[in-house]
Amino acid sequence: KAGVTQTPRYLIKTRGQQVTLSCSPISGHRSVSWYQQTPGQGLQFLFEYFSETQRNKGNFPGRFSGRQFSNSRSEMNVSTLELGDSALYLCASSDRTSVQETQYFGPGTRLLVL
Amino acid sequence: LAKTTQPISMDSYEGQEVNITCSHNNIATNDYITWYQQFPSQGPRFIIQGYKTKVTNEVASLFIPADRKSSTLSLPRVSLSDTAVYYCLVGPRVAAGNKLTFGGGTRVLVKP
Repeated sequence: KAGVTQTPRYLIKTRGQQVTLSCSPISGHRSVSWYQQTPGQGLQFLFEYFSETQRNKGNFPGRFSGRQFSNSRSEMNVSTLELGDSALYLCASSDRTSVQETQYFGPGTRLLVL
Repeated sequence: LAKTTQPISMDSYEGQEVNITCSHNNIATNDYITWYQQFPSQGPRFIIQGYKTKVTNEVASLFIPADRKSSTLSLPRVSLSDTAVYYCLVGPRVAAGNKLTFGGGTRVLVKP
């Protein structure tokens, strides 16, 4: 099976702009989670989608949003970008029907906000 | 969610065995222990998962004592390419959502 793919891999934006990141999960996986990783804060959970519904949400402001499509592909959007939003954004998919749930991560999108 | 504590960094040499211990004193009955490996600018990669005793796969072994308050990831005969950050996670089974908490991880440096 192909792994989790994320596009774009790299992105440069300026403060105040908005950005949309895309994630295609492993075929058959219906759960997609998003994480933000920075050197200072480590890897932090943003939100999880399952069957087009947001199931869990981390402690991020409303500027961070996401959605999932019927084919399980997911997008996350960050509006009114701030310098502190510069990070590696990781998407992970999982098969929530398995007993031992593991997540499979994509390569990430590195966002730089200037 | 159970909190985990692991060493910040470890150095080793090629061919040696690396053992990373993770403490999770508040692990719940239904929690599993999972280890991930992450290389720079890549997403974490699943290494191994276990519930109790010992689990072994082609990459690593995971030792979990009877009280489950800690676990040890063992990487046999490491090579330079094993230089990475290793995360220990403790989380519920299946349907609680993907709120797996990644701690600071252990930065392993393998030297020639």
